[in-house]
Amino acid sequence: DGGITQSPKYLFRKEGQNVTLSCEQNLNHDAMYWYRQDPGQGLRLIYYSQIVNDFQKGDIAEGYSVSREKKESFPLTVTSAQKNPTAFYLCASRTSGGTQYFGPGTRLTVL
Amino acid sequence: ELKVEQNPLFLSMQEGKNYTIYCNYSTTSDRLYWYRQDPGKSLESLFVLLSNGAVKQEGRLMASLDTKARLSTLHITAAVHDLSATYFCAVHSGGSNYKLTFGKGTLLTVNP
Repeated sequence: DGGITQSPKYLFRKEGQNVTLSCEQNLNHDAMYWYRQDPGQGLRLIYYSQIVNDFQKGDIAEGYSVSREKKESFPLTVTSAQKNPTAFYLCASRTSGGTQYFGPGTRLTVL
Repeated sequence: ELKVEQNPLFLSMQEGKNYTIYCNYSTTSDRLYWYRQDPGKSLESLFVLLSNGAVKQEGRLMASLDTKARLSTLHITAAVHDLSATYFCAVHSGGSNYKLTFGKGTLLTVNP
């Protein structure tokens, strides 16, 4: 059963703490994306990767970091430099035709 | 910079009625996507529109694209409660990275 998984579903972060969100896909897609969604807003692109060992900043990359060591995995780290990290984080992977498919999301809350 | 505007942002309608959601974008694009999001859930792909004049239909939803006017519409026919959700359009900004710029979404509520 192909798809995109994200974990955890809910995550709580203390001030000054780094946290890592997991994103895994078994769709054999080369490209993967991370988005942030705030209440009542559309999605904003944080980082994207078109191939293993390569990634680019999106529109709101400050305070975030990523890695792409394996085709299946694209973890996102929310660092202490991100001053307002409370949001819903969505990972996506893309078909060769351009359509992006999304994982179930991780809801991050700062305590 | 590509900007995408949806209107209305909020839409409350009665079952059985028809309505249209509009998606305008600011620069030339060769493809446009419509997604649905249920509360607290992820995004579900509805339509991909790849060329001027493209029309796609699925059930009570029909999407169209006018690249010259930089406008896409999502038409709802004879709405039912199950269509209640937030609908997003997303525009491809060009290039092989397939970056998407999303509208803010239209929250649709269908009342009995």
